[in-house]
Amino acid sequence: GNSVTQMEGPVTLSEEAFLTINCTYTATGYPSLFWYVQYPGEGLQLLLKATKADDKGSNKGFEATYRKETTSFHLEKGSVQVSDSAVYFCALSLTGFQKLVFGTGTRLLVSP
Amino acid sequence: GAGVSQSPRYKVAKRGQDVALRCDPISGHVSLFWYQQALGQGPEFLTYFQNEAQLDKSGLPSDRFFAERPEGSVSTLKIQRTQQEDSAVYLCASSSREHTDTQYFGPGTRLTVL
Repeated sequence: GNSVTQMEGPVTLSEEAFLTINCTYTATGYPSLFWYVQYPGEGLQLLLKATKADDKGSNKGFEATYRKETTSFHLEKGSVQVSDSAVYFCALSLTGFQKLVFGTGTRLLVSP
Repeated sequence: GAGVSQSPRYKVAKRGQDVALRCDPISGHVSLFWYQQALGQGPEFLTYFQNEAQLDKSGLPSDRFFAERPEGSVSTLKIQRTQQEDSAVYLCASSSREHTDTQYFGPGTRLTVL
């Protein structure tokens, strides 16, 4: 089946620290990969995406590279801010099947 | 422009009651999705519409769950005879014909069944 596995949280960091949130996937086809973010009290927002192997998605200082050989899509940011505190979800969708398959989410807490 | 809106934002139901949750997608978006998000979990797919056609309802957990989009815009998710295990946040998302892989989510409806 198709699934996404994320590292468990919470991830607790100090401001300006380096962030990595691991995400690996299992898919029967060639998925597109996504990171969504959910800020407190708000809906899910698309953070970045990559549609084919070796593509790098980036937005707001966050990056993730589609690694087919390791079936991974790890999220990174060089210097986190308090405002990055949120829950981050890794997700996939298969070509022709638009529904998203989500991981369980990773909560990030950034302290000043 | 306006994003995806959902109503009500919060709903408390007694076990056995029927509930109806509404989703207003972004104007012009042809695709509409419903997801269920249990506490501490990621969203799980329920059903998908393209215009008024329900193309995939494989995620609906039981025949108590029913969704419709009769005119290809607003959608309603109905849950009959609610059970405690139905307590969750119900998310609606929409996407355009041009960018089918980018879904825009509403704020969700938090359903609590007592």
